[in-house]
Amino acid sequence: QVQLQESGPGLVKPSETLSLTCTVSGGSISTYYWSWIRQPPGEGFEWIGYIFYSGSTNYNPSLKSRVTISVDTSKNQFSLKLSFVTAADTAVYYCVRGTVVRGDNLGMDVWGHGTTVTVSS
Amino acid sequence: ENVLTQSPGTLSLSPGERATLSCRASQSVSSRYLAWYQQKPGQAPRLLIYGASSRATGIPDRFSGSGSGTDFTLTISRLEPEDFAVYHCQQYGSSPYTFGQGTKLEIK
Repeated sequence: QVQLQESGPGLVKPSETLSLTCTVSGGSISTYYWSWIRQPPGEGFEWIGYIFYSGSTNYNPSLKSRVTISVDTSKNQFSLKLSFVTAADTAVYYCVRGTVVRGDNLGMDVWGHGTTVTVSS
Repeated sequence: ENVLTQSPGTLSLSPGERATLSCRASQSVSSRYLAWYQQKPGQAPRLLIYGASSRATGIPDRFSGSGSGTDFTLTISRLEPEDFAVYHCQQYGSSPYTFGQGTKLEIK
């Protein structure tokens, strides 16, 4: 059974870069797409972006200038970097698997437990 | 971007009753790429429905999804105690992928 685990600092200072890694266990990172999604306290979800195992990416325009998502297939990991953070970036961050079969997108079927990141000095 | 509006914000029902949750999009959802998720406190969301009407693996058949274009519905035919949670819709047919604000299903 595939499991995702987020890791990274829980506290980041304003103007610095938030860095998170998602480790995929119980399955291969290949043939899927991998997203980062966040949920600020008391708010709804915001999709940050995704990366295919091949390395192609798609980012939310609202965050595009500050976001980089990368994949390391040798480690079965993918990562998020969000630069110049502010208090508005405080949220629970989830790594999520998406599945495409024969060109049909079957949605985001596996989620990590989420990691809380607080932006504060 | 495609803005999703869920209604009602809160739904109060009793176990055994039928629940009907709505998700309305500001633009037509491409290829019916509309998903529903269930989220319980302190837990990650669980995919219930994808493609507007296909149940995800392991989801009981009391959960069903319907709709197309801009109007979608999640129906829970007979509520079980474990069904009381927050439900989110998401469109993944056009970028940026977007979510509704959620419907809280609470015990009456």
